[in-house]
Amino acid sequence: EADIYQTPRYLVIGTGKKITLECSQTMGHDKMYWYQQDPGMELHLIHYSYGVNSTEKGDLSSESTVSRIRTEHFPLTLESARPSHTSQYLCASQNSGANVLTFGAGSRLTVL
Amino acid sequence: GENVEQHPSTLSVQEGDSAVIKCTYSDSASNYFPWYKQELGKRPQLIIDIRSNVGEKKDQRIAVTLNKTAKHFSLHITETQPEDSAVYFCAGCGGSNYKLTFGKGTLLTVNP
Repeated sequence: EADIYQTPRYLVIGTGKKITLECSQTMGHDKMYWYQQDPGMELHLIHYSYGVNSTEKGDLSSESTVSRIRTEHFPLTLESARPSHTSQYLCASQNSGANVLTFGAGSRLTVL
Repeated sequence: GENVEQHPSTLSVQEGDSAVIKCTYSDSASNYFPWYKQELGKRPQLIIDIRSNVGEKKDQRIAVTLNKTAKHFSLHITETQPEDSAVYFCAGCGGSNYKLTFGKGTLLTVNP
């Protein structure tokens, strides 16, 4: 089934660890996004990509980095996690022609 | 860039009543306005959208109206049910910029 998949769904790690949140979509979308969201709160855009080898920072400053080597894959990396990074991270992809944004189920990160 | 304001931040209604959520946008070039519903612990999902060449769109109990002159659009939910309880986000998107700018969200509670 065409969808957008995020792993892990839940992650609890200690301060200073390096983590990568995976995001893959099988819908053939060229545009992909990462949002940071605390439960029930605003959606903050932290990174986006309009295609392979294209990445941009979003509206909210983030210490994370992203890469886009393949169209379907848009991983997010934190080199050294801190408690302030505790949040939910939502990946999304977009159909350019229709502008419709589809979200993944999210990765909930807790940094102790 | 685009700025989207959403009101109210919380809304409580009795089952069967109507609910209205309003958003304003700043960029006159914006031409696509989706509404997302996010239930507790789940991903945001598109429930209805409208483009700038249309003034109103309806899908069963939900409808969206757009006033381009005043730069505001609204979500209307009639005959509300407890399963309508969720956070609702409006967004704007325009011109050559594919990024959606989201409002801060409205927590809708439908009391049985």
